[in-house]
Amino acid sequence: EVHLLESGGGLLQPGGSLRLSCAASGFTFSSYAMSWVRQAPGKGLEWVSGISGSGGTTYYADSVKGRFTISRDNSKNTLYLQMNSLRAEDTAVYYCAKCRGPDTAMGDDYWGQGTLVTVSS
Amino acid sequence: DIQMTQSPSSLSASVGDRVTITCRASQSIRSYLNWYQQKPGKAPNLLIYAASTLQSGVPSRFSGSGSGTDFTLTISSLQPEDFATYYCQQSYSTPSTFGGGTKVEIK
Repeated sequence: EVHLLESGGGLLQPGGSLRLSCAASGFTFSSYAMSWVRQAPGKGLEWVSGISGSGGTTYYADSVKGRFTISRDNSKNTLYLQMNSLRAEDTAVYYCAKCRGPDTAMGDDYWGQGTLVTVSS
Repeated sequence: DIQMTQSPSSLSASVGDRVTITCRASQSIRSYLNWYQQKPGKAPNLLIYAASTLQSGVPSRFSGSGSGTDFTLTISSLQPEDFATYYCQQSYSTPSTFGGGTKVEIK
């Protein structure tokens, strides 16, 4: 059974940094692209970042480019999102999601339960 | 970036009704269109990918159609568990983008 468990969320001040993790199990992690998607309180879904199965290709939303870095450790079956220069508008529940194939073009078939990041002074 | 426009933003319907939600892309995305269902406090759930392919385990009352720029999600007979918010997503190009969502409420 596929399982995704995010961790690392919390409350921090503007300008701060945080690293989210997503521990994956139940599938061959390195064979699938992964994504981060966020949802601000009471708002819709926003795609944040994606990474190929090998980790060699990464993608970012314009809103986070240059501030966030996606990475993965296929030996640990773990996905990461390093978040720097955080802003109030980054406040959201962050979901990790498994893509249906080795690239991000095929939809996300499994999602974690989400981790809340709150940026506030 | 490709903009995705969903309509309506909300609708009220009764159990047994046929419900149709539309999604329009700002440019052609071929068939790289996915539909998700999200219930309050829960993660999204993939319903349909590649515009019309039903994800495993999803009831057959859900169907998707379209290609290019115009897409439709149809629920043939609305069930109590279908009251939720639905999102379309284009995965044709990065950054991927979601529609604004359609909240399906009980009439």
